[in-house]
Amino acid sequence: EPEVTQTPSHQVTQMGQEVILRCVPISNHLYFYWYRQILGQKVEFLVSFYNNEISEKSEIFDDQFSVERPDGSNFTLKIRSTKLEDSAMYFCASSSTNNYGYTFGSGTRLTVV
Amino acid sequence: DAKTTQPPSMDCAEGRAANLPCNHSTISGNEYVYWYRQIHSQGPQYIIHGLKNNETNEMASLIITEDRKSSTLILPHATLRDTAVYYCIVRVYNDYKLSFGAGTTVTVRA
Repeated sequence: EPEVTQTPSHQVTQMGQEVILRCVPISNHLYFYWYRQILGQKVEFLVSFYNNEISEKSEIFDDQFSVERPDGSNFTLKIRSTKLEDSAMYFCASSSTNNYGYTFGSGTRLTVV
Repeated sequence: DAKTTQPPSMDCAEGRAANLPCNHSTISGNEYVYWYRQIHSQGPQYIIHGLKNNETNEMASLIITEDRKSSTLILPHATLRDTAVYYCIVRVYNDYKLSFGAGTTVTVRA
């Protein structure tokens, strides 16, 4: 069964450093998403991406965040200057259409120290 | 802005059907009901979705009441691997985001 692949599985970074979280969506999918889950809390929507542009973003997704699809296979989330409160599991997801179910990756656990 | 209400937890015996209720009394005509689950700290997994008709796939069945104000997810033969948090989500057709609530923690016991 096709999978969404996320790397790295764990990342520890110093506060103020930039991090890039990487995702390889399912190859024929057109819609891409990032979600995050702070430990013990709900899964929260960050951003959706379609046709090479952001289609929707949440209030969490401020100027410190950016997304990019640099080539035909990767989808990245960049956090420009990490804060302690950015520590969370970050999930990438993709879907073939916007109203069908998404396929989520296994997540990247980001720890900011 | 929770649009759904689910019990916080429920237990189920292995091999028996698990019936997971969800209340969405303010659902609009263009909103679908989606079910996802999250096993431990893995990424959420899509289960099923529907608008007004009952739906079935290889994982589960979704029963939506005629007035669409509530639904039930049925896992026909629960196994220990079905232990997870189950999320009922209401979403406008063609909206981009899923709004996850706290879900129902389902524990399947041997």
